[in-house]
Amino acid sequence: KAGVTQTPRYLIKTRGQQVTLSCSPISGHRSVSWYQQTPGQGLQFLFEYFSETQRNKGNFPGRFSGRQFSNSRSEMNVSTLELGDSALYLCASSLAGVRGGHYGYTFGSGTRLTVV
Amino acid sequence: AQSVTQPDIHITVSEGASLELRCNYSYGATPYLFWYVQSPGQGLQLLLKYFSGDTLVQGIKGFEAEFKRSQSSFNLRKPSVHWSDAAEYFCAVASTGANNLFFGTGTRLTVIP
Repeated sequence: KAGVTQTPRYLIKTRGQQVTLSCSPISGHRSVSWYQQTPGQGLQFLFEYFSETQRNKGNFPGRFSGRQFSNSRSEMNVSTLELGDSALYLCASSLAGVRGGHYGYTFGSGTRLTVV
Repeated sequence: AQSVTQPDIHITVSEGASLELRCNYSYGATPYLFWYVQSPGQGLQLLLKYFSGDTLVQGIKGFEAEFKRSQSSFNLRKPSVHWSDAAEYFCAVASTGANNLFFGTGTRLTVIP
């Protein structure tokens, strides 16, 4: 069974640009959530999508957005990039709708974004 | 509000020694608790999880964790550490009524030969 796939693995962008990251969940998983990991702030929840609807959002500015497609694949977009957006962005998928259910959450390997 | 505290930022142990990583949580009801491990530059791998039932949970790679409601703790243990266990370990609690995790700040484990 394929795991959670995130593309690309690495990205270098310039301040002011925008970026789109992609996440393909485990087959059959309808929930996809995104996290930002930085040395200073640790792992922080960005947002969660379930059946193409954003159900929950963390405390991030509106420059961070996402969407989910009918095949459960998800993308997140960051507009007007700032140096502080440099981070590892992790995607997680889960089978159940709430609290990860009894299967928990499976994470991808992440996309390392560097803003210069 | 949910929160997780990992009081140890960095722990060093000798190979073959036992290991205990501490995790304290704040949660109003029965928590769903997780331990994840992260190798440098990689994603998070699930070691074990607790939802209910037996308070001693067995995971992968020889790890176990014990849920103690009275102490609001979910400590991770391993009887004999291997050099390959060197990594960062994160404790997490699932939120109420939503589908996301609150993570602790992590504990970096160094294993010396």
